[in-house]
Amino acid sequence: DTGVSQDPRHKITKRGQNVTFRCDPISEHNRLYWYRQTLGQGPEFLTYFQNEAQLEKSRLLSDRFSAERPKGSFSTLEIQRTEQGDSAMYLCASSLPTGTGDSYGYTFGSGTRLTVV
Amino acid sequence: AQTVTQSQPEMSVQEAETVTLSCTYDTSESNYYLFWYKQPPSRQMILVIRQEAYKQQNATENRFSVNFQKAAKSFSLKISDSQLGDTAMYFCAFKTPYGGATNKLIFGTGTLLAVQP
Repeated sequence: DTGVSQDPRHKITKRGQNVTFRCDPISEHNRLYWYRQTLGQGPEFLTYFQNEAQLEKSRLLSDRFSAERPKGSFSTLEIQRTEQGDSAMYLCASSLPTGTGDSYGYTFGSGTRLTVV
Repeated sequence: AQTVTQSQPEMSVQEAETVTLSCTYDTSESNYYLFWYKQPPSRQMILVIRQEAYKQQNATENRFSVNFQKAAKSFSLKISDSQLGDTAMYFCAFKTPYGGATNKLIFGTGTLLAVQP
């Protein structure tokens, strides 16, 4: 288990198409987070899971966005009817459970760069 | 709401010299964690250093140290003996313990550091 994996690394799609990204966290991490990062900006929180439960969603996560973590392991982030404004880097991170995980921060994946043309 | 501010969009330093990156934050919480993350060009974000707010002693990790001023809500990062590999975007981030005001990392907008040979 070498870290947080994200697939694909790059995705180019036409406006209006649906896209799905996958994240595989570190196996012993029960928390998983999705962030969006645009060029020159800091990551913005989208949503997070504790095991299979989605505990919080940002207002940035419009109805076109949906995230799942069906068995508490990998997670998917789907964007329906993509728009040019969705172009960004989508980062996944995972962390240890409550207590230890709080102070140790997150481990990030390399991200999926989405370009909507 | 918790906010993190990094007022230096870009900085430059000569190899082997020392540089300090600034970060301020706003919170009404008394217990929280602060982090500095490094994001090299086209590479994943990695944790550089972390600080627990209840600890008065400033954290140190090899060439990296922080100046944590809780009353001033300031958390600066000092990089000593700068190396070319330190060239990256640096993000300051804030988090409360689980159950506190925010269960996820909140990032600043970042400081792009260029180490010149």
